[in-house]
Amino acid sequence: AQSVTQLDSQVPVFEEAPVELRCNYSSSVSVYLFWYVQYPNQGLQLLLKYLSGSTLVKGINGFEAEFNKSQTSFHLRKPSVHISDTAEYFCAVDRGGSNYKLTFGKGTLLTVNP
Amino acid sequence: GAVVSQHPSRVICKSGTSVKIECRSLDFQATTMFWYRQFPKKSLMLMATSNEGSKATYEQGVEKDKFLINHASLTLSTLTVTSAHPEDSSFYICSARDFQGSYEQYFGPGTRLTVT
Repeated sequence: AQSVTQLDSQVPVFEEAPVELRCNYSSSVSVYLFWYVQYPNQGLQLLLKYLSGSTLVKGINGFEAEFNKSQTSFHLRKPSVHISDTAEYFCAVDRGGSNYKLTFGKGTLLTVNP
Repeated sequence: GAVVSQHPSRVICKSGTSVKIECRSLDFQATTMFWYRQFPKKSLMLMATSNEGSKATYEQGVEKDKFLINHASLTLSTLTVTSAHPEDSSFYICSARDFQGSYEQYFGPGTRLTVT
């Protein structure tokens, strides 16, 4: 079985500060990793994904994440956040196979303050 | 890009009635669709996996007779909450994978169900 741990349930930061949202996973097989963002009362939007290749993945809105296999981590970073980045962020793992089921972390609420 | 829609976006129903939620892939064919439930300030819980033309696969603990899923075409899956009760009130989100086998799931905007 696979699991995803998002270590911080809430992360408050000031505008233009850097931010890192942490994600660790456990799985006995190779996985695919995703970060999604959810704005209030909306569905999920894909920020970025790691399938294979370069461990540094760049996504939309200036976000990036680094896959670290030895530490089983996939932390999300942004060098300078905006007020509009305030949202819930979910890390997810998909171990592939015929159904490609996603297992989500519990989410991290990023609040960007002026 | 790939777009998934859900209808309705919000629905209020009385206890004991049934509610149908539609999930459509607008610009791609989805062989597999997924239904999630999200409680307030909680993560998404996978309810079932829906494959076109076959019966849905439900996750452990999800009542298949209460949450009826139909995936009749490559662009439409429906979730029917039967004999709804207040505890069924939640945010329901669907997602779809495209026919070409991409590892990405495209999510719908969600449906807020309130049972009074």
